[in-house]
This record gives sequence, C-alpha cells and structure tokens, in this order.
Amino acid sequence: DTAVSQTPKYLVTQMGNDKSIKCEQNLGHDTMYWYKQDSKKFLKIMFSYNNKELIINETVPNRFSPKSPDKAHLNLHINSLELGDSAVYFCASSQDRGLAGVAGELFFGEGSRLTVL
Amino acid sequence: KNQVEQSPQSLIILEGKNCTLQCNYTVSPFSNLRWYKQDTGRGPVSLTIMTFSENTKSNGRYTATLDADTKQSSLHITASQLSDSASYICVVSQSYIPTFGRGTSLIVHP
Repeated sequence: DTAVSQTPKYLVTQMGNDKSIKCEQNLGHDTMYWYKQDSKKFLKIMFSYNNKELIINETVPNRFSPKSPDKAHLNLHINSLELGDSAVYFCASSQDRGLAGVAGELFFGEGSRLTVL
Repeated sequence: KNQVEQSPQSLIILEGKNCTLQCNYTVSPFSNLRWYKQDTGRGPVSLTIMTFSENTKSNGRYTATLDADTKQSSLHITASQLSDSASYICVVSQSYIPTFGRGTSLIVHP
C-alpha cells in the first residue's frame, strides 16, 4: 500500500549506458515530479507532469527524458549516462499544481540511488 | 531570484534538549511554507504547512513559526529524541512552484 513507489532503489551502471527509473503513485494525484538530490543533499526539480502533460522542464540535459503513460506513472529514462549523473533521484506527487494558488503537499518516494562508474 | 536559505547547515544536540532551525526566504509572491523531514535513505515527509496569515503551527514536538513581514520561519523541536536525527528542509512556494532550501542536518546524541 505504498503511496509513491519507485524502482529500482539502487542502480549501478557504467558510463555511456542507458537506464530507466520507474515511478507509480496510488494516491490519485494529478501531478508528478522528478527531483535530483546531489551529494550535498540539495533537492532540485527536474520535471513536473500534470495529467500526463509536461508543465515544468528545468534546465536538464536532453539525455533525460520523462514519460508519463498515465497520471499514476512517471518514468525517467536517461541516455548515455555520465559520472555527474550519480545522485539520488526522487519521484513525488501532489494533489494539484496549485491552480488555486496553493502548492500542494509533496509526497515523495523512497528514492533511487544511481551510481555511474 | 527566489531563494531559501537555511541555518545552521548542521547541528548536534543531546537527547532531551530543544533546538531551533532557521529559514529565510526571498520567494515572492508567497503562497505557503512547508517544513519537511528527511530521514537517512528515505524521501522527505511534510511536517507543517503555513500560509501567509498563519504565524505558528504545531505538530507534536515540532512547532513552526512564520514572520511573513521579515520573510523568516523557524522550526522548534522540543525534548529531542534520537529519531529526530534527520535533515530538515524548508520549502517555500510561489503558486505551484516550490523553492527548496538546502536543509539543516540534525544529529541527536544519546
């Protein structure tokens, strides 16, 4: 009955490989996000989808491609992995994107630790 | 540029003691401010939310304050426990766009 689940939890791979991280939420939320947490624990937003529509796309290399097949899923595919991609990636969801002017509470997954060798 | 600054960066206290974490922000216009707790190896979890008109909110031993005029918030932890060891992140939102602070790492020693 996990609210936001992401897989895999750990991912170790070589430079140049392509990998994907999957995320699913069972909260019925409309908005999903991908965040990157660096070694200094700073959380930085990468993408946000609302009802399968991309609404936030921060300055992220185009090697990163999010895909939302439905509003309960937001997957992250990374091509040609680089050393600097090593981080913990968090998926999150919220009830809405603040159409009423109030940002909703973010519900985070447990994180996926990516290590690029 | 919207920014959220937290202090101290890290803090070590003894079990049972109180502590206060600070958050200063320049986010405008202001929508709400949340404090999140992130345990090691876990995702952040919301502790409190405060809107413009609120100046204090409690959640058990956690009490958050907000001064919207000076754009400052604090999180006070009373009678700390070992389980309070975590990173505490201040998140200030402008409409639906949240701006994250870098967090305060709290270690509670027995």
